[in-house]
Amino acid sequence: SQQGEEDPQALSIQEGENATMNCSYKTSINNLQWYRQNSGRGLVHLILIRSNEREKHSGRLRVTLDTSKKSSSLLITASRAADTASYFCATGSWGKLQFGAGTQVVVTP
Amino acid sequence: EAQVTQNPRYLITVTGKKLTVTCSQNMNHEYMSWYRQDPGLGLRQIYYSMNVEVTDKGDVPEGYKVSRKEKRNFPLILESPSPNQTSLYFCASSPRPGLAGQETQYFGPGTRLLVL
Repeated sequence: SQQGEEDPQALSIQEGENATMNCSYKTSINNLQWYRQNSGRGLVHLILIRSNEREKHSGRLRVTLDTSKKSSSLLITASRAADTASYFCATGSWGKLQFGAGTQVVVTP
Repeated sequence: EAQVTQNPRYLITVTGKKLTVTCSQNMNHEYMSWYRQDPGLGLRQIYYSMNVEVTDKGDVPEGYKVSRKEKRNFPLILESPSPNQTSLYFCASSPRPGLAGQETQYFGPGTRLLVL
């Protein structure tokens, strides 16, 4: 069964707008990771947030984590056409990693 | 260049014909893993290996075999492929999951498998 589930399944925005997607998970975690996948290609790691962190930034990315609600959000600010991709959250520990089904983001010029 | 490579990238085969998908990494990572990706299901872990000669089942191991005889290679073996194994397969590696700062996984480009 999947540990993480992203919401929404799909998101369409215009360049310059912000994109927000959420991830909910079921069991306690040590950390939560976000990955990006461009159409049919390998996943690329974006950011990792640990269970004792509430917020983390990396460039135009902002990730929050609420362990009491078992949820995380990924915000992409000032989106660009190159941000068009699928975004996945992943949780797990000691080698066993579970991904959600992903949020497909389309950024139109 | 640090990378994870997979071969072949595309494969069409028939039911029951044994096949192997190779995976190799040049980053001296201890950990390697195989995933399959199907529409609407995200990535599901098939097998993973914490180090040489150490392998464990992921969430969907049925119908697959792996081996880790050397650090850099982690082949995925389908002894008797069936149509429900048609999927996009990814290999990944990381320095040492469970150790702070080393959990990031690096993914290969993927192998598209069609089993007729």
